[in-house]
Amino acid sequence: EAGVTQFPSHSVIEKGQTVTLRCDPISGHDNLYWYRRVMGKEIKFLLHFVKESKQDESGMPNNRFLAERTGGTYSTLKVQPAELEDSGVYFCASSPFWDRADIQYFGAGTRLSVL
Amino acid sequence: DAKTTQPPSMDCAEGRAANLPCNHSTISGNEYVYWYRQIHSQGPQYIIHGLKNNETNEMASLIITEDRKSSTLILPHATLRDTAVYYCIVDYGGATNKLIFGTGTLLAVQP
Repeated sequence: EAGVTQFPSHSVIEKGQTVTLRCDPISGHDNLYWYRRVMGKEIKFLLHFVKESKQDESGMPNNRFLAERTGGTYSTLKVQPAELEDSGVYFCASSPFWDRADIQYFGAGTRLSVL
Repeated sequence: DAKTTQPPSMDCAEGRAANLPCNHSTISGNEYVYWYRQIHSQGPQYIIHGLKNNETNEMASLIITEDRKSSTLILPHATLRDTAVYYCIVDYGGATNKLIFGTGTLLAVQP
């Protein structure tokens, strides 16, 4: 069974450009989460989908970030326009059901470098 | 902010047991204790979780004190591949299961 996959693994863009990150969760997982770690900081939650619906987007830093999960399968996270402080590693995780004891499976992350 | 306190770093000799402590004195009665780890350049990896009882799986054991204010993750025979940052997480931050990561413990397994 394939794990959570993220694409690209690394992206280098210039300030002001647009970047789209993609996450393919484990098949059948309804829950999908985005997290990120910016330089020197802890891993922070961004948002949570249950199927195609945004359950919690309290961690999204500002309106330059747009996450979608059309059809409840893969998800994209678009940053437009990118700023220097957006540099970091973006992780996606998925879990099979909504339960207080569920386990989140993480992808390897996308390293975003904004120059 | 994370509701856990962990030492920033620990060393362990290869083949020996690694015991990683975590304090979570404000844990609520229905909050689980989760442990994840992040090996360099990889995404976080689930290890184990528990509510009240001690738990064991193929990776590790989790010992939770009776008052649930602290716990210890035990890797029974640490290997070099266990070198990673270990995160103890007890706070979901609300109705969703979002994980709130602290700074974790960097475990360095020495040959």
